[in-house]
Amino acid sequence: GAGVSQSPSNKVTEKGKDVELRCDPISGHTALYWYRQSLGQGLEFLIYFQGNSAPDKSGLPSDRFSAERTGGSVSTLTIQRTQQEDSAVYLCASSLRPDSHPPDTQYFGPGTRLTVL
Amino acid sequence: KNQVEQSPQSLIILEGKNCTLQCNYTVSPFSNLRWYKQDTGRGPVSLTIMTFSENTKSNGRYTATLDADTKQSSLHITASQLSDSASYICVVSLRSEGYKLSFGAGTTVTVRA
Repeated sequence: GAGVSQSPSNKVTEKGKDVELRCDPISGHTALYWYRQSLGQGLEFLIYFQGNSAPDKSGLPSDRFSAERTGGSVSTLTIQRTQQEDSAVYLCASSLRPDSHPPDTQYFGPGTRLTVL
Repeated sequence: KNQVEQSPQSLIILEGKNCTLQCNYTVSPFSNLRWYKQDTGRGPVSLTIMTFSENTKSNGRYTATLDADTKQSSLHITASQLSDSASYICVVSLRSEGYKLSFGAGTTVTVRA
């Protein structure tokens, strides 16, 4: 079946512009996650959506970052007024039962490589 | 400060040889530990998962070990193949917030013919 898909695969933008990154999770997965992977660093948690619950936004690095998930499926991560330090790979993941013990495996998309000039 | 440390940062091995990657963590209270494989330009893919009560788990030529007392894990790759060239990431989750994962920076493995 189809995995997690993300678009675009690459995005080059100028400092100060806004960007939108899209994630299509695996059908039926109720949980969706956004991560950021900077060069030489481990993945950094950004935000978590689970069903109709309020999202966990504790990982968003600043108020320039926001995300929404419409209809419990597709999600969009928006970065406003981009800065050079925002350059990274942004990964999306989804899982079926995040509240199970242990939590279900998170399935990752291929990521969007963002470059801010 | 990263709560998951991996070593070495990178290594090069010849095809057919074995190698072992290390992971030390300070995440507490600990729920489970996973090893992920990330090919260049791809998202990470889960290889193994171990809870605190398990001390070894295999997936083909990959064998992970866990010592929850010393908070150490290792991933052993047997009879390496060219397709094993990738970054291997150690991932730990909290018991209280299992969905929130702590990632190591990864070990980049290059297998040469």
